[in-house]
Amino acid sequence: DVKVTQSSRYLVKRTGEKVFLECVQDMDHENMFWYRQDPGLGLRLIYFSYDVKMKEKGDIPEGYSVSREKKERFSLILESASTNQTSMYLCASSRDRGFAEAFFGQGTRLTVV
Amino acid sequence: KNEVEQSPQNLTAQEGEFITINCSYSVGISALHWLQQHPGGGIVSLFMLSSGKKKHGRLIATINIQEKHSSLHITASHPRDSAVYICAVRDISGGGADGLTFGKGTHLIIQP
Repeated sequence: DVKVTQSSRYLVKRTGEKVFLECVQDMDHENMFWYRQDPGLGLRLIYFSYDVKMKEKGDIPEGYSVSREKKERFSLILESASTNQTSMYLCASSRDRGFAEAFFGQGTRLTVV
Repeated sequence: KNEVEQSPQNLTAQEGEFITINCSYSVGISALHWLQQHPGGGIVSLFMLSSGKKKHGRLIATINIQEKHSSLHITASHPRDSAVYICAVRDISGGGADGLTFGKGTHLIIQP
């Protein structure tokens, strides 16, 4: 019954590395989102995509990029990882832009050392 | 942009108790979401509502648009209800594909 799958639960990377976080959904949703979640700050939107090859910046896009070559896959890229990007990363997809029928992945806890 | 406040931040209760978590927001919305996050990270969408009340099993969500307030109730609480409950609102203006503003969450622990 898997709906949104993130490629890793836990990742440890070194400062300066290029990091790829992958997200795949099997519901044919057009809208996909990447969030980061930090204690005391809640969920913050990094990037979203409403169609293949389309992307829009969220609230905190600095230091990140995304790729959506296929409808079911949305990748988050940390171009040069830094320690302040240590966080929980959550991918989500939804049927429409109102976040209806939204499903989240299980999260990736990234530690940058 | 909306400001979303949840209360309480932390709540510990005994099994069987009736639980209420509150969410207030500052500007008009088109929809409000309640999400549940279990230890380990995964988030599940519980409700999306724009008016009135919705019920699913032991969970009830209500919203008062005039007062800009929503509540999530859990009846006959159980230890498996222990989780972080997150309120998120979508502004009437909509914004981009995701005009959602999230609360910081309520950490609920139900003790046996």
